Amino acid sequence: EVQLVESGGGLVQPGGSLRLSCVASGFTFTNSWIHWVRQAPGEGLVWVSRINFDASHTNYADSVKGRFTVSRDNAKNTVFLQMNSLRVDDTAVYYCARGCGGDCHGIDYWGQGTLVTVSS
Amino acid sequence: QSALTQPASVSGSPGQSITISCTGSSSDVGAYDYVSWFQQHPGKAPKLMIYDVSHRPSGVSNRLSGSKSGNTASLTISGLQADDEADYYCNSFTNRNTHVFGGGTRLTVL
Repeated sequence: EVQLVESGGGLVQPGGSLRLSCVASGFTFTNSWIHWVRQAPGEGLVWVSRINFDASHTNYADSVKGRFTVSRDNAKNTVFLQMNSLRVDDTAVYYCARGCGGDCHGIDYWGQGTLVTVSS
Repeated sequence: QSALTQPASVSGSPGQSITISCTGSSSDVGAYDYVSWFQQHPGKAPKLMIYDVSHRPSGVSNRLSGSKSGNTASLTISGLQADDEADYYCNSFTNRNTHVFGGGTRLTVL
């Protein structure tokens, strides 16, 4: 069974930093892109970032470029999202999700999310 | 990157069919056949319903179908059921090697 479990969310002040983790299981982690997607309270889904199999390719939404960094540790089946210079509008549930691969060009399985609250 | 455009809400009675549109540009929806649709019930993680415009993952009902014409993709749900009531989001790959979601559509089953 494919599982993705996020952690690391919490309350942080504007300008602060937080590192989210996503631990994967139930599939070949080293074959998969991993994405981060966020959802502000009561709002829609917003794509944030993705990282490829060996971390040689990363992409970011304009809203987080230069502030967020995605990385991975394949030995631990874990992807990280380092979030710096956090702003109030970064407040959201952050989901990690698997890139489906093969003949599927998108995202299939999602974690349950971790809540990040940026507030003074 | 601007969000794809979806209607805020659609509704239908049980047994009827509805269609949700998703309009992008030649940089995303129109550029690739890489449009997905997700269903999200309140408080839950999104669930993949359609990938690559018209393909259904294993286990997804054949009452759902997807299509695309130009810069607009569509999701059709036939034979509406109470459990179809949820938020639906489209997603597309873009020519900047990023992804973009639609703003979401609330489906109400009357």
